[in-house]
Amino acid sequence: QVQLQESGPGLVKPSETLSLTCSVSGDSISSHYWSWIRQPPGKGLEWIGYIQYSGTTNYIPSLKSRITISLDTPKNEVSLKLNSVTAADTAMYYCARVGRVRRVPSGDYYYYLDVWGKGTAVTVSS
Amino acid sequence: AIQMTQSPSSLSASVGDRVTITCRASQGIRNDLGWYQQKPGKAPELLIYAASTLQSGVPSRFSGSGSGSDFTLTIRSLQPEDFATYYCLQDYDYPWTFGQGTKVEIK
Repeated sequence: QVQLQESGPGLVKPSETLSLTCSVSGDSISSHYWSWIRQPPGKGLEWIGYIQYSGTTNYIPSLKSRITISLDTPKNEVSLKLNSVTAADTAMYYCARVGRVRRVPSGDYYYYLDVWGKGTAVTVSS
Repeated sequence: AIQMTQSPSSLSASVGDRVTITCRASQGIRNDLGWYQQKPGKAPELLIYAASTLQSGVPSRFSGSGSGSDFTLTIRSLQPEDFATYYCLQDYDYPWTFGQGTKVEIK
């Protein structure tokens, strides 16, 4: 059974770097893509980026200058770093596995978020 | 970025009701759309991908349809455990974008 567990500091000061880890069990991070999604308190979901098993990343443009998603293959972990945080970055952060199914006949893929962690709450405040 | 607009934003329904939620994309997205259910205090869960393919383990009372820019999630006979917020997500183009959510409440 695949399980994802997010971890990191619950409180980050403005202008500092938010660092989160997603520990994956029951699956190899080298076999899938992995995504981060966040949800400000009382608001909707925001996809913020993903990383392919090759290390190729794709980020939401509004965060592109501040975000890094990376893989730690020996530890089977996916990391998120967000620099220069402000109160607007206060949210529940989720990691999710990206499932994909090949589309016929084009050969490209459908993508979906099929396994989610429970999330970790991050507050940006001095 | 592609905008996803869900309607309604909230609805009240009774157990046994048929419920329909719509999601409209700001441009055509083929059928590159999924539906997710989120209960209070919990992570979202995948219900449907590729607009109409039911994720393994999801009850058959859930169904999805649509292609292009208009999509629908239908719950055939609402159960007590279905009261939640539902989100659509397009994976046609980056950045992937969610709808704003539809909260299904008990009447």
